[in-house]
Amino acid sequence: NAGVTQTPKFRVLKTGQSMTLLCAQDMNHEYMYWYRQDPGMGLRLIHYSVGEGTTAKGEVPDGYNVSRLKKQNFLLGLESAAPSQTSVYFCASSSAAGATTGELFFGEGSRLTVL
Amino acid sequence: GNSVTQMEGPVTLSEEAFLTINCTYTATGYPSLFWYVQYPGEGLQLLLKATKADDKGSNKGFEATYRKETTSFHLEKGSVQVSDSAVYFCALSFYNQGGKLIFGQGTELSVKP
Repeated sequence: NAGVTQTPKFRVLKTGQSMTLLCAQDMNHEYMYWYRQDPGMGLRLIHYSVGEGTTAKGEVPDGYNVSRLKKQNFLLGLESAAPSQTSVYFCASSSAAGATTGELFFGEGSRLTVL
Repeated sequence: GNSVTQMEGPVTLSEEAFLTINCTYTATGYPSLFWYVQYPGEGLQLLLKATKADDKGSNKGFEATYRKETTSFHLEKGSVQVSDSAVYFCALSFYNQGGKLIFGQGTELSVKP
């Protein structure tokens, strides 16, 4: 069972470059999320989606865009990367029932370094 | 605003020692509370949860009780193993808010043989 798969796992960017992180889930979940994890700050929600074709802002959305064109995929884009976006990014998904109870399934993370 | 505060890490224990990781929360309303665990090189996974006051969540020998009067959800285990070495995150969410979790900063646990 693949669960939640993130690509790439590691990436180094220069300031100003753009990139897209891909999250794919094979559990037919309605809800998907992008979090960033920074030392001493836990995980913070960037954007989320409650279904195909929908997206919404989380706690720290600035500098990021997302798209959910297919139910199984949730893309996170950085149009012009900044050093402050150096972080570990986690994608998560949840069924509608799981979303009401806070049970999310996480990917293994993508480590992004912006020089 | 809503927030979660955890005890500072890292926490280093010997095998079979008793574990407590403190977690307190600030919330408007009545959230559900969670402990997630992140093993090295992996994503987070749900360890246990409690949805209302005085509920006790338990899993894999870990327990936590939802204490509304002290706004706490401390994680305990009677005898830790080396395999419990991980980062533990306390979190809260509200029913029908789309599963959005608010996390504490995480507490790293290292268990030595």
